[in-house]
Amino acid sequence: AQTVTQSQPEMSVQEAETVTLSCTYDTSENNYYLFWYKQPPSRQMILVIRQEAYKQQNATENRFSVNFQKAAKSFSLKISDSQLGDTAMYFCAFMKQFAGGTSYGKLTFGQGTILTVHP
Amino acid sequence: NAGVTQTPKFQVLKTGQSMTLQCAQDMNHEYMSWYRQDPGMGLRLIHYSVGAGITDQGEVPNGYNVSRSTTEDFPLRLLSAAPSQTSVYFCASSRDTGELFFGEGSRLTVL
Repeated sequence: AQTVTQSQPEMSVQEAETVTLSCTYDTSENNYYLFWYKQPPSRQMILVIRQEAYKQQNATENRFSVNFQKAAKSFSLKISDSQLGDTAMYFCAFMKQFAGGTSYGKLTFGQGTILTVHP
Repeated sequence: NAGVTQTPKFQVLKTGQSMTLQCAQDMNHEYMSWYRQDPGMGLRLIHYSVGAGITDQGEVPNGYNVSRSTTEDFPLRLLSAAPSQTSVYFCASSRDTGELFFGEGSRLTVL
C-alpha cells in the first residue's frame, strides 16, 4: 500500500513571494503518477500539476512547478509570484499505474496543507 | 459542460436512516470513484468502478454500497447512517490519462 505525507498542516506567504509545499510518499511501485490538487473555499478539487514517475524532467504549469526526487520519494510544489487566489488547501496525491498503463482512478491523498496568501 | 454532477450538495440525516448520493458524468469515462474527506485525513477512497457492472472496495468501504449499471452513473448508498459517516463526499471520474475530474462535493451530517 502507498502512503502520502504532507508534514506542513499550514503555510502562509506574502503576495508576490514564493512558497514551497512539501510532500513525501512511500511506495514499492516503479510506475506511477503524482499530483497536486488545489481545494479553494468553494470545495471544488482543481488539478494544479501532474508528474509521471518515468519522466526525469520536473513538471511546470505557469507559476507552479514541482521538484520531483524519485529516489528520495519527494514531490514538492513551488508556487512563484503568489496571488491571493492561491489561498486554498493543497493536496498531494499518488496514483499507481497498473499493467498496460491503467490506473483505475485510484488516488492516495496526503493530509493536505492549508496555504494562506497575505496581501 | 456538466462534467461530474453530484446531488445533493447538502444533507442531514438521523442515525439509522438510509440515503443515496447520486453521481453522473457525461465524459464517457471508464473509471469512477467515491472519496470521503475528513479533517486532517485528506481524501480516502470508498469504492471505485472500472466500468459498467464492475465495482471494488477502496480503503474505507464499510457502511457503503455502490453499483454501476451504466457508464454515466455511480450512486453511493448509505444503508444505515452513523455519525462516523459525517463527512464531505466526492465523486470523480477519469480515463487512463491519470487525471481525475471531481464533482463539487456533498456535505453529509448524521445526527
